[in-house]
Amino acid sequence: DQQVKQNSPSLSVQEGRISILNCDYTNSMFDYFLWYKKYPAEGPTFLISISSIKDKNEDGRFTVFLNKSAKHLSLHIVPSQPGDSAVYFCAASAINTDKLIFGTGTRLQVFP
Amino acid sequence: DTEVTQTPKHLVMGMTNKKSLKCEQHMGHRAMYWYKQKAKKPPELMFVYSYEKLSINESVPSRFSPECPNSSLLNLHLHALQPEDSALYLCASSQVLGSQEKLFFGSGTQLSVL
Repeated sequence: DQQVKQNSPSLSVQEGRISILNCDYTNSMFDYFLWYKKYPAEGPTFLISISSIKDKNEDGRFTVFLNKSAKHLSLHIVPSQPGDSAVYFCAASAINTDKLIFGTGTRLQVFP
Repeated sequence: DTEVTQTPKHLVMGMTNKKSLKCEQHMGHRAMYWYKQKAKKPPELMFVYSYEKLSINESVPSRFSPECPNSSLLNLHLHALQPEDSALYLCASSQVLGSQEKLFFGSGTQLSVL
């Protein structure tokens, strides 16, 4: 049973527009959420995170929104750039555990 | 140095072979991890070492044997693998073990078992 779900396997966005990547989770014990970005032939790299006590966290062009009641988070990238083309993984962890649970990833393609 | 280095990048082995995957980091991180990722699936945790001691074993078959010789190195010894073990094996490290820590990942070893 997948506790972290990314229902869109791929997303295509024009350069300069907003990219919105979505993630849903089922475990109400999750209290920390992260987004990782992965280029081909490289390992995932940390992008941005949010604690369950917040509903928004912003870092430059990247903003993560958390809706705890809907068990939903989203990553907004604006403006999107061709270098943002990668696979984006959502991940979550529960308090006092040492495990990150990953989603299946969304492949973002930003075209000129 | 914020790198986690994994060798080899690619490995093809037969079901009777013995091989090892290696992982190294020099960030002073005290927690190191092995993940397995099959195609179009999320990375799944296999093992976690904290301060060179095995902290988590996610019920991984004994044909996978982890080893942490020192705080910078993590090995995964492979023996009598099955074709279904073919996957990308990712090593990661974090400053310490805990739910709030960010992981630094290596680029992985793509393993094919024939």
